[in-house]
Amino acid sequence: DSGVTQTPKHLITATGQRVTLRCSPRSGDLSVYWYQQSLDQGLQFLIQYYNGEERAKGNILERFSAQQFPDLHSELNLSSLELGDSALYFCASSVQAGEQYFGPGTRLTVT
Amino acid sequence: GQQVMQIPQYQHVQEGEDFTTYCNSSTTLSNIQWYKQRPGGHPVFLIQLVKSGEVKKQKRLTFQFGEAKKNSSLHITATQTTDVGTYFCAADQAQGAQKLVFGQGTRLTINP
Repeated sequence: DSGVTQTPKHLITATGQRVTLRCSPRSGDLSVYWYQQSLDQGLQFLIQYYNGEERAKGNILERFSAQQFPDLHSELNLSSLELGDSALYFCASSVQAGEQYFGPGTRLTVT
Repeated sequence: GQQVMQIPQYQHVQEGEDFTTYCNSSTTLSNIQWYKQRPGGHPVFLIQLVKSGEVKKQKRLTFQFGEAKKNSSLHITATQTTDVGTYFCAADQAQGAQKLVFGQGTRLTINP
């Protein structure tokens, strides 16, 4: 158990819909990262937040957005969902740069 | 952007055989991390290498960072069934922030 929690574990939704994935980092970790893992793309970095502020952006689509709240939990919002958005979405946390602790992931299926 | 190439994509070995996965970048890396993901699980941090030519060992696992800091390898001696999983290298792309670029991973399967 990494100490990072993610909800929900599984999510099935239809194309065009919007979903919110939630992540709670390890106690004391200020950084939260979001990753997308699909079969053909591997692990793709989406975005990083540090203590409530966006710190780094990766290959995140405009239909996706994220935020980190004062209690340091983070949410990843995915809208206008397409079939190709089906993937595992991981959240990770760290104290600062270095070792990242990954949560169990949310498996999103878009039908 | 920076790309990290990892080979092989798949490796199947007999239990007790050695295993090596390689990670290569066209640019100099500030550091490199290695993660292991068991089937159905999440990536778990193994190690970070920072110095040129660095070699670190964890029991049967040996990690190397190239002299030019453009390549890295993970070698497992005498594999065991518990070593099954996908091994990823990840390069830190940004200074200050941490923007990890993951290799495609090497999926290791083992015949007991």
